[in-house]
Amino acid sequence: AQSVTQLGSHVSVSEGALVLLRCNYSSSVPPYLFWYVQYPNQGLQLLLKYTSAATLVKGINGFEAEFKKSETSFHLTKPSAHMSDAAEYFCAVRGGGGKLIFGQGTELSVKP
Amino acid sequence: GAVVSQHPSWVICKSGTSVKIECRSLDFQATTMFWYRQFPKQSLMLMATSNEGSKATYEQGVEKDKFLINHASLTLSTLTVTSAHPEDSSFYICSAPPNMMNTEAFFGQGTRLTVV
Repeated sequence: AQSVTQLGSHVSVSEGALVLLRCNYSSSVPPYLFWYVQYPNQGLQLLLKYTSAATLVKGINGFEAEFKKSETSFHLTKPSAHMSDAAEYFCAVRGGGGKLIFGQGTELSVKP
Repeated sequence: GAVVSQHPSWVICKSGTSVKIECRSLDFQATTMFWYRQFPKQSLMLMATSNEGSKATYEQGVEKDKFLINHASLTLSTLTVTSAHPEDSSFYICSAPPNMMNTEAFFGQGTRLTVV
């Protein structure tokens, strides 16, 4: 069975600082991995996805993630945080039948 | 990308009443839809999988008689919360799975249900 674990339920960075949100996965098959962002009282927006092509994936809003099989990780990064990046971020792995299995979520706060 | 439309976006209902949430695939056909629930400050948990023309599949611990799912057509799946109670207050999101053209799922906008 597939699962993901997000390390850190809350991350706080200063505006302009590096953003690093951690995600580790467990999967018995080559995984499809996703990062989503959720703003308060809104649905999910796909940031980026890994589907077994390039291991470094670039997404929207300057985010990127690197798939590391040896570390079973898929961490999300952004070189310079912006105030508008404050939101909840979810890592997810695709399970059987196409359902998504989500991590616990990481709340990102950005300080001015 | 494909569009999934979910309605209503928010609803307030009284305890004991029923609420129906609709999830429509606007530009594609979906034989399967997933329904997730998200409590405040928590992650999304899969509740059930609706299957067009057959019974839904519920995750362990989800009451199928309370959360009625119907997938009567290839473009519409509905979730009805019956005899709602305050503890059913949550954010409900539907999702169409990837298809042959896409590797990602497509989410509805979500429905904020508040039971008073």
